[in-house]
Amino acid sequence: RKEVEQDPGPFNVPEGATVAFNCTYSNSASQSFFWYRQDCRKEPKLLMSVYSSGNEDGRFTAQLNRASQYISLLIRDSKLSDSATYLCVVNQLAPYKLSFGAGTTVTVRA
Amino acid sequence: DGGITQSPKYLFRKEGQNVTLSCEQNLNHDAMYWYRQDPGQGLRLIYYSQIVNDFQKGDIAEGYSVSREKKESFPLTVTSAQKNPTAFYLCASSMRTGENGYTFGSGTRLTVV
Repeated sequence: RKEVEQDPGPFNVPEGATVAFNCTYSNSASQSFFWYRQDCRKEPKLLMSVYSSGNEDGRFTAQLNRASQYISLLIRDSKLSDSATYLCVVNQLAPYKLSFGAGTTVTVRA
Repeated sequence: DGGITQSPKYLFRKEGQNVTLSCEQNLNHDAMYWYRQDPGQGLRLIYYSQIVNDFQKGDIAEGYSVSREKKESFPLTVTSAQKNPTAFYLCASSMRTGENGYTFGSGTRLTVV
């Protein structure tokens, strides 16, 4: 089983729609969690950290469910500029290890 | 502005040739990493270093070598022993434990010709 698994998509949604997707992780010792955004042929960029209580940044909401070992990302009021691949990243401490999911592709159409 | 710089952006390698990819950061981060990304796939860890003069193999270290003589620099050499080196190479840095996430360089696209 992969350490971090994501639905690859693609999720094709119209502008203004809400889209949500999950990421599951296998190591219960994982300590911190992130969502990164990667545009085609570019480097990944940190979108947001994911906190135990859940957190929101504008149109983006991230949730963590430790019991079921998954994190989620919800995008409200989708914009064309939200089209990208979203990478789930899980950080385990002691021993330290950062694991990346393969990414979920989102395409927002006009 | 603090950041992480990779060079060159594009690199072409002939069969049997060693090439070195540069990665420099001025974020005062202790840890640095090299990842490889193939089309449609996730990032795979090649090597990482959490402190100067020390580095560890990642999941796909065969055919690669690194050095960490300075905190700011973590060059990656792709040797002729790497059978399929064509890929997008990403360097990243972080605080030692990575708990605040990574900062990535803009990547080097290596092609074997």
